[in-house]
Parts: sequence; C-alpha cells; structure tokens
Amino acid sequence: SQTIHQWPATLVQPVGSPLSLECTVEGTSNPNLYWYRQAAGRGLQLLFYSVGIGQISSEVPQNLSASRPQDRQFILSSKKLLLSDSGFYLCAGTGGTGELFFGEGSRLTVL
Amino acid sequence: DAKTTQPNSMESNEEEPVHLPCNHSTISGTDYIHWYRQLPSQGPEYVIHGLTSNVNNRMASLAIAEDRKSSTLILHRATLRDAAVYYCIQVHWTSGTYKYIFGTGTRLKVLA
Repeated sequence: SQTIHQWPATLVQPVGSPLSLECTVEGTSNPNLYWYRQAAGRGLQLLFYSVGIGQISSEVPQNLSASRPQDRQFILSSKKLLLSDSGFYLCAGTGGTGELFFGEGSRLTVL
Repeated sequence: DAKTTQPNSMESNEEEPVHLPCNHSTISGTDYIHWYRQLPSQGPEYVIHGLTSNVNNRMASLAIAEDRKSSTLILHRATLRDAAVYYCIQVHWTSGTYKYIFGTGTRLKVLA
C-alpha cells in the first residue's frame, strides 16, 4: 500500500527566512502528487499538484513554489516566509484506485 | 473549481446511524464523489468514493442521488472514534490529473 512521509513534522521560522518541506512516497510509482495547506480551523487549500518529474501546476499565486526532482519526491519551498504562510502543510498522492493518501503533515509557525 | 456544500456541523448519539449530506450541483458526468475524514492534527483519511451507483465498504456506505447532484455518507453505527471533520469532494479530471478540491467539511460530534 502507498505511504507518504513528510518532514519536518513541526518547525518555527522567522519572517523572511527560507523554507523547504519534503515529501516522499513509497509503495507506488508514477504517483500524482499534491501539496495542501490548512490554516487553523479551516479546510484544505490546494497549492500545487504534479503529474510527473519536473511537472508542476500551481493553483494559487503566492509566496511558495514546488518542485519534483524525482518520481517519488515532492518539495515545497519559499525564499522568504511571510506570517500568512503559517499553517499545516499536507502532502498527498494518488495510487491506482484514485484514492488520495496523505502524509502526517508539517506544522509551520512563522513568527 | 467545483465546490461542494455541506452543513458546518452535526451531532449523533453513539451506536446510532449518521447520515451526512452533501450537495454537488455542478457535478459533470465524469466527476467522482469522494469522502474523507480528518481527526485533529492529522492528515485526512479516505472513507469511500463513487461515480453513479451506491457504494459500500467496511467503513461506510455512500448513497448517490439519481441526478448525482447530491450524496449522503452513511455511518451505520457511530462510535466515539468517528468524531471528525468529514469532507465531501467532487473530483474533477483536468490537465492530465484528477483535482481534489476540499470544502470546509462537516464537523461530526458523537455523544456518548
């Protein structure tokens, strides 16, 4: 079965600092991958999705970027964090049945 | 992007059935209906999905209206562990992939 690993689990960063969140997938090949953000008490906002290596689609123009350097690796980055970037970041992927599998999440606090 | 409509919150007594409604009036013929649930500080968990016919699995049942503009997630006997936020999403094919756009979900409270 498909498993998604994310790290770090939590981080506290100052405004203006860079960010790198990493997601790796086990148990499947050629997955479609997704980054979501969830603000406190809110629903999930789709940020980026990828259908393959080097292929990134952005849903919302913002201070973040994504990259997919390998088939099972998806990275979320920022050059300079804003206060509004705080939230719970979730990586997700699909297997052959169309179900969306989520990682454990990364909680980011920007101070 | 397609958005579904769900009640903000619902309550149920333990060991009673729960019917969680969802409206997806803009659904197209190839859009799937998925349900996920999320416990605090965790990623969402897949529950069930369907296209046209009703579906059953070990977790729940999904009843889809004939016109597909609404669906109902049925938990046959709610337990305290079923307390979560339940998301109904309309999964749409675009740009070579399915897009999963989450709404605000229904917070289910289960009373002992």
